[in-house]
Amino acid sequence: EVQLVESGGGVVRPGGSLRLSCAASGLMFDDYGMSWVRQAPGKGLEWVSVINWNGGSTSYADSVKGRFTISRDNAKNSLYLQMDSVRVEDTAIYYCARRRGFGSGSYYLDSWGQGTLVMVSP
Amino acid sequence: SYVLTQAPSVSVAPGKTAKITCGGNSIGRKSVHWYQQKPGQAPVLVIHHNSDRPSGIPERFSGSNSGNTATLTISRVEAGDEADYYCQVWDSSSDHPVFGGGTNLTVL
Repeated sequence: EVQLVESGGGVVRPGGSLRLSCAASGLMFDDYGMSWVRQAPGKGLEWVSVINWNGGSTSYADSVKGRFTISRDNAKNSLYLQMDSVRVEDTAIYYCARRRGFGSGSYYLDSWGQGTLVMVSP
Repeated sequence: SYVLTQAPSVSVAPGKTAKITCGGNSIGRKSVHWYQQKPGQAPVLVIHHNSDRPSGIPERFSGSNSGNTATLTISRVEAGDEADYYCQVWDSSSDHPVFGGGTNLTVL
């Protein structure tokens, strides 16, 4: 059974930094692309970032580009999100998810962690 | 970028059929995926590639996609189906998922 467990959330001041982690088990981690998706309180799902199987390709939502960095350590079966220069509007539950599919255009997210809450507050 | 449009809410009586739609320009040419999210829980994939059900998802959940509308159909609705439902496609030009705004399903 695939398990994704996020950690690292908490309260941070605007302009501060936070590093989220996602520990994966029950899968061949380096076979899959991974993604971070967030959900602000009472709002819908918002994609944050995607990374391919070896970290050689990444993409970011415009709202976080230049401030957040996605990375992975396949030896540790772990995914990360470095959050710098955080803003109040970054407050959300952050989920990591496994990407599945048969190529760009058909990808989906089939397994999700339980999420970690990030609260940016003055 | 590509936009997916969902109605904010749908209501249905127990035992009836719920249809949740997802609109997008020529969405019928894309693969559409659906997620269920119950309060306080992470999203769960219920349909992928328009109409395929992951293992463990009841047969009551089905999907279709044509023209400018994709549809998630839930037959014989139960109280436990109350949740938010999100459609999703993958923007291949920018390599990222696009989510609809979500539909809250209420079982009367």
